Amino acid sequence: KQEVTQIPAALSVPEGENLVLNCSFTDSAIYNLQWFRQDPGKGLTSLLLIQSSQREQTSGRLNASLDKSSGRSTLYIAASQPGDSATYLCAVGMGYGQNFVFGPGTRLSVLP
Amino acid sequence: GAGVSQTPSNKVTEKGKYVELRCDPISGHTALYWYRQSLGQGPEFLIYFQGTGAADDSGLPNDRFFAVRPEGSVSTLKIQRTERGDSAVYLCASTLTGGELFFGEGSRLTVL
Repeated sequence: KQEVTQIPAALSVPEGENLVLNCSFTDSAIYNLQWFRQDPGKGLTSLLLIQSSQREQTSGRLNASLDKSSGRSTLYIAASQPGDSATYLCAVGMGYGQNFVFGPGTRLSVLP
Repeated sequence: GAGVSQTPSNKVTEKGKYVELRCDPISGHTALYWYRQSLGQGPEFLIYFQGTGAADDSGLPNDRFFAVRPEGSVSTLKIQRTERGDSAVYLCASTLTGGELFFGEGSRLTVL
């Protein structure tokens, strides 16, 4: 059974710092991996999708990497801003037409 | 529609009552997922539809939970004889099979 963990559970940084969020999964036979952002009381907003054949994806100040063999993905946020404060979740796609398994999330606070 | 739409956004009911939650996916998305999220946790998979059929319902916690998608578009999650432990945010997501997952804002269910 796939298990997804995220470290740290919470993170507080001053504005302008570069930071890394970690996602680990136990079964490396994944189809894809997706990073989401969730603001309090809201749904999940997709940030980046990495297919299993890819090593990384970039969007603006965000960069996500994937190392299937070690069961890890990282989300790098450059030059953090207070507006980046949210919970960040990773989800592992288990196969074409199969479900996604989510991690518990990392709660990020960027202080002005 | 432009995004995934869920109604109602909030539902308060009494223990033992019947509840229906509706999800209207992005037009053309063949796959539809239901997840449940408790405070401080990641979404927990409930059921996945490919077209009209439930391709995977292994996440439904018991037979009080049922979901349908009769025409391959709108889906309804039905909960019978609600219990206080059913209180959570119920999230719906849709995707073209194998692609990026898009979520609605969720339906917050409170069982008194």
